[in-house]
Amino acid sequence: TQLLEQSPQFLSIQEGENLTVYCNSSSVFSSLQWYRQEPGEGPVLLVTVVTGGEVKKLKRLTFQFGDARKDSSLHITAAQPGDTGLYLCADYNYGQNFVFGPGTRLSVLP
Amino acid sequence: DTGVSQNPRHKITKRGQNVTFRCDPISEHNRLYWYRQTLGQGPEFLTYFQNEAQLEKSRLLSDRFSAERPKGSFSTLEIQRTEQGDSAMYLCASSTMGVGYGYTFGSGTRLTVV
Repeated sequence: TQLLEQSPQFLSIQEGENLTVYCNSSSVFSSLQWYRQEPGEGPVLLVTVVTGGEVKKLKRLTFQFGDARKDSSLHITAAQPGDTGLYLCADYNYGQNFVFGPGTRLSVLP
Repeated sequence: DTGVSQNPRHKITKRGQNVTFRCDPISEHNRLYWYRQTLGQGPEFLTYFQNEAQLEKSRLLSDRFSAERPKGSFSTLEIQRTEQGDSAMYLCASSTMGVGYGYTFGSGTRLTVV
């Protein structure tokens, strides 16, 4: 059974700071996705990465996929209060569903 | 189409009562998923449908849980004889076929069993 670990579990920073959160898998990812979830809402897909070493950028967010496809990082530059939320990584399980990590809860203070 | 719709948004029920949740997916999405999320955790897979066929069920889905998707459109998730441990956010998601396509989630139904 694949296990996804995310670190840190909690992160509280000031507006304007940079941060990185991590996702690690006990096995090779097949198709890694990052989601952001705001309180009381469902997760929203941010990005999908498939190829080892792949880097994708989404405005101030940079997603990196490890060469061995067992780890990934999400870097946020100049964080804003609107970035506050639960950041989830997920892998596609060939059993036809996604397995989610426990998430990193980010709080950006103004 | 405005996305995945879930109703109700919140449900408070007494232990032992039955509850039913509804999910309306994005119309062109043929796959529909149910997940459960407890505080501080990521979503946990419960079951999924491709069109009207229920293709997979997690062992988390006890005999008290049943899901349907008549005619491959909306879906319902029923919990019978609710227990306090059933308190959670129940999330519905839909997608098209293909590994590269992520989910579109609804806003969820928050169930509290008292």
